Amino acid sequence: GIQVEQSPPDLILQEGANSTLRCNFSDSVNNLQWFHQNPWGQLINLFYIPSGTKQNGRLSATTVATERYSLLYISSSQTTDSGVYFCAVEEGGTASKLTFGTGTRLQVTL
Amino acid sequence: NAGVTQTPKFRVLKTGQSMTLLCAQDMNHEYMYWYRQDPGMGLRLIHYSVGEGTTAKGEVPDGYNVSRLKKQNFLLGLESAAPSQTSVYFCASSSGAYNEQFFGPGTRLTVL
Repeated sequence: GIQVEQSPPDLILQEGANSTLRCNFSDSVNNLQWFHQNPWGQLINLFYIPSGTKQNGRLSATTVATERYSLLYISSSQTTDSGVYFCAVEEGGTASKLTFGTGTRLQVTL
Repeated sequence: NAGVTQTPKFRVLKTGQSMTLLCAQDMNHEYMYWYRQDPGMGLRLIHYSVGEGTTAKGEVPDGYNVSRLKKQNFLLGLESAAPSQTSVYFCASSSGAYNEQFFGPGTRLTVL
């Protein structure tokens, strides 16, 4: 099956700093989503981005499907950005199965 | 719109007991999914459904059964719970293959 690798596994930032999270995948995909899991365990949809670039406030994401990677940019980080960020992909030709990476754990400090 | 809801939010079982988790969605989505999340890991697919009356196995189906009698509901059953099934269970739905999946708040299950 498809492999999804996220980097870095852990990240500590001071409030106000910018960061880039990376997701590499091993095969072609028809769906790619970024999620934020907050400290209470809730999964929050950030982006549905099988290709191209999207922006939502301080967050933006870019997927280069031909090179099999996606990037999530967080600018001017806030303590509420803390949590785990997951990338998940849906492999082309499979029946609707999202394969998740192991996540990037982000801690934003004052 | 409530989106995707899950019942119950927490549950503690003894080994060998049975239980059913309920997932409901009000977005008229065709596809529904059950995932489990173990500590320090991403989610893994247990079972899924591509429409009312259909179910299919995912990555980790052993020890679980599912039913989709109504389009808006997807039930996950544990017939004889085992400690290895201690996990957080997430339900999700989407309008179709390769479309965005929306997740419920999760059910934290502990099997003693």
